[in-house]
Amino acid sequence: KAGVTQTPRYLIKTRGQQVTLSCSPISGHRSVSWYQQTPGQGLQFLFEYFSETQRNKGNFPGRFSGRQFSNSRSEMNVSTLELGDSALYLCASSLGQRNEKLFFGSGTQLSVL
Amino acid sequence: AQTVTQSQPEMSVQEAETVTLSCTYDTSENNYYLFWYKQPPSRQMILVIRQEAYKQQNATENRFSVNFQKAAKSFSLKISDSQLGDTAMYFCAKGGSGGSNYKLTFGKGTLLTVNP
Repeated sequence: KAGVTQTPRYLIKTRGQQVTLSCSPISGHRSVSWYQQTPGQGLQFLFEYFSETQRNKGNFPGRFSGRQFSNSRSEMNVSTLELGDSALYLCASSLGQRNEKLFFGSGTQLSVL
Repeated sequence: AQTVTQSQPEMSVQEAETVTLSCTYDTSENNYYLFWYKQPPSRQMILVIRQEAYKQQNATENRFSVNFQKAAKSFSLKISDSQLGDTAMYFCAKGGSGGSNYKLTFGKGTLLTVNP
């Protein structure tokens, strides 16, 4: 069965622009989580969606937003990009039940110039 | 806030030898999950092993095992018979409260290099 798919793999943007990242979960998975990975801050939880509803949100500014569609695919949007937003953005999927394992994608590497 | 600490930024081991990666964490919860993830150069996070705090028996997955010390809040990973393919960044992580494992708190990682 196909794994978690993230597109695109790489993105280069300039400050002030906005960007949309996409994540397709494993078939049957209804929960999608997003994480930001940087050399300085490490891996940090952004938010999680289950059945098109945001269930939990990390400590990030409102410029970071997301949504989930009825087929469980999720998108993450960052507006007014800053240099510090350069990072690897990982998404993970699960069935959405308690105590589940997460399955991660290979991430989208975003560079902000 | 919960914290997960990995005190070894880098480690190296010879092929076929055994290596142990350390992890400590802070929590006030009684039941939770702990995880070790591996991130090779491909960047994909791969689950290596997980442990439920409720279970006293240490988890084992083939060459990977953990030493879980709940009272000490310690969760180390032992890799036996190290292979070149084990070279990767290893992250210790703790699941969120109430079984919300989609919200993981990660340590900073340990870069493991397996030398031939």
